[in-house]
Amino acid sequence: ELKVEQNPLFLSMQEGKNYTIYCNYSTTSDRLYWYRQDPGKSLESLFVLLSNGAVKQEGRLMASLDTKARLSTLHITAAVHDLSATYFCAVLTGNQFYFGTGTSLTVIP
Amino acid sequence: SQTIHQWPATLVQPVGSPLSLECTVEGTSNPNLYWYRQAAGRGLQLLFYSIGIDQISSEVPQNLSASRPQDRQFILSSKKLLLSDSGFYLCAWGRGGRNSPLHFGNGTRLTVT
Repeated sequence: ELKVEQNPLFLSMQEGKNYTIYCNYSTTSDRLYWYRQDPGKSLESLFVLLSNGAVKQEGRLMASLDTKARLSTLHITAAVHDLSATYFCAVLTGNQFYFGTGTSLTVIP
Repeated sequence: SQTIHQWPATLVQPVGSPLSLECTVEGTSNPNLYWYRQAAGRGLQLLFYSIGIDQISSEVPQNLSASRPQDRQFILSSKKLLLSDSGFYLCAWGRGGRNSPLHFGNGTRLTVT
């Protein structure tokens, strides 16, 4: 059974601090996706990582992929309140996207 | 540009009643289509996916079914709802290429009472 695990599940951090969310998966895949979900809303695509060593950055968020370790990270730099949301990673195998457990991020002013 | 429509936005149904959730995609042809369910405070569970008309795969055996009557239409149904069917149902589409993310509809919040 394919597993996609994120940690931490819950993260409370102060504005201005840095932190990293981890996504581990149990299958061989070179496609990793990050999404954001605001409370009560749908999911919004953030990053598409297409190969080993891929790094993508958008504003205060940076995502990376290590396919050999089956690990992706989402790094938050100098957090601001607007980043408060739940973040999901997802792995593509065949035509199926499997999502991680999600990390609920709260940025405290 | 491509858009995905999902309705209704919210639904309250009694146990044992039928269910029909509809999803349509505009601006693209032959999309891959997906139904996910998200329980409160939880992750996403893949329910069904379809790579074409009459090609629907089920991930989890349950009292739900899916149909794809047209290329860009995906319907989630149940003959008799259970309390455990409550959740946030999300329809999504993808291009089928390995470089493309999924694009989600706004979701349907289903409460079974």
